[in-house]
Amino acid sequence: QSALTQPASVSGSPGQSITISCTGTSSDVGGYNYVSWYQQHPGKVPKLIIYDVSNRPSGVSNRFSGSKSGNTASLTISGLQAEDEADYYCSSYTSSSTLDVVFGGGTKLTVL
Amino acid sequence: QVHLVQSGAEVKKPGASVKVSCKASGYTFTTYDVSWVRQAPGQGLEWMGWITPYNGNTNYAQRLQGRVTMTTDTSTRTTSMELRSLRSDDTAVYYCARGGTHRSGWSFDYWGQGTLVSVSS
Repeated sequence: QSALTQPASVSGSPGQSITISCTGTSSDVGGYNYVSWYQQHPGKVPKLIIYDVSNRPSGVSNRFSGSKSGNTASLTISGLQAEDEADYYCSSYTSSSTLDVVFGGGTKLTVL
Repeated sequence: QVHLVQSGAEVKKPGASVKVSCKASGYTFTTYDVSWVRQAPGQGLEWMGWITPYNGNTNYAQRLQGRVTMTTDTSTRTTSMELRSLRSDDTAVYYCARGGTHRSGWSFDYWGQGTLVSVSS
């Protein structure tokens, strides 16, 4: 089971918006609305920021939003702030027989 | 307030076993499944499996089948993950996380602080 495909890096300036893509297949991203996104600062624990494609947990800024089209899910961060600089991982339920959850390889967000 | 507190770092030799524990607090322990996710140095996240505390049901990633066992003790609200026949590529930070099954929409809402397991001769 291959990991979901994410760009290795994205960058943006403060105040701008960026989008991170997460591409899978009809067996995972495209087939179920169980895509989640996690933010991980260096040396820190991953933090859930989006679940079920587009829902935000309580306390997560509304600058973070999620969507899905076909086999590709997207995380958009609007009004970029320096504190958003981190690694971002997507995950999805998968109908694979070898595992239940598959992660993306991660995207490093740099705030210029 | 939900907390997952893991045991400390471990250094093991190839072929040995390691057991990492995860003590939960702040919620009804038997209501949520506990999953394990690992992260090799500089790498991404890898799903390892989950356990249902109220009945002990488990499901493991196929690539770890035969080497991993997850257990739970409801009296101490503790979940443990044992990995056997360690190899150098098992060196990683191991996280427990709440959820990660159909009961929680396959997302992980709270994470332990992580336990570094180093495998080296």
